[in-house]
Amino acid sequence: DAKTTQPPSMDCAEGRAANLPCNHSTISGNEYVYWYRQIHSQGPQYIIHGLKNNETNEMASLIITEDRKSSTLILPHATLRDTAVYYCIVRVENFGNEKLTFGTGTRLTIIP
Amino acid sequence: NAGVMQNPRHLVRRRGQEARLRCSPMKGHSHVYWYRQLPEEGLKFMVYLQKENIIDESGMPKERFSAEFPKEGPSILRIQQVVRGDSAAYFCASSPREQIYEQYFGPGTRLTVT
Repeated sequence: DAKTTQPPSMDCAEGRAANLPCNHSTISGNEYVYWYRQIHSQGPQYIIHGLKNNETNEMASLIITEDRKSSTLILPHATLRDTAVYYCIVRVENFGNEKLTFGTGTRLTIIP
Repeated sequence: NAGVMQNPRHLVRRRGQEARLRCSPMKGHSHVYWYRQLPEEGLKFMVYLQKENIIDESGMPKERFSAEFPKEGPSILRIQQVVRGDSAAYFCASSPREQIYEQYFGPGTRLTVT
């Protein structure tokens, strides 16, 4: 699975959009981009995933560049409850390859 | 629908003792994954199991660690002769089948070895 690079920490004002970048320059054509978050040592929580098209759900939007070498997770209206460590994960969806490889992530702090 | 359950939530063991961590997947889920998180680090995959089968144990230490997911009952992660370096948070996740994008994580068991 390709390696990802994320900034170690970011701050965002409450109510503003939080934009979390992820670099995955060695991604291959059949690898998906996943985002999970971990709130204060709880179990990680799935947020969103995509292959090459932009995706949106009730939690967030995922913007993947055309060359797929980087992506951005967008939390449109950040709240204090969004303070967490956010993990960008790249994974091939092959039978038997079910493991998620977590890096060190980005610690996002929402400022009141 | 109850989420993934793990028990105990906190476990203290002395060096040399055995630790047993239990994971009950979500209802209808037959795939279980175990991850370990050392302090200030990301989660590391340990093992992937289906009912009565170990599918991928590439992340399991070669000695002292074992995992099972019997036909009935919870999945068990067993650590024999614990050492201080085993102190970590152990998370279990489940999914209804393979190749699904979302794994549902439990709250974790925090193991402390004294």
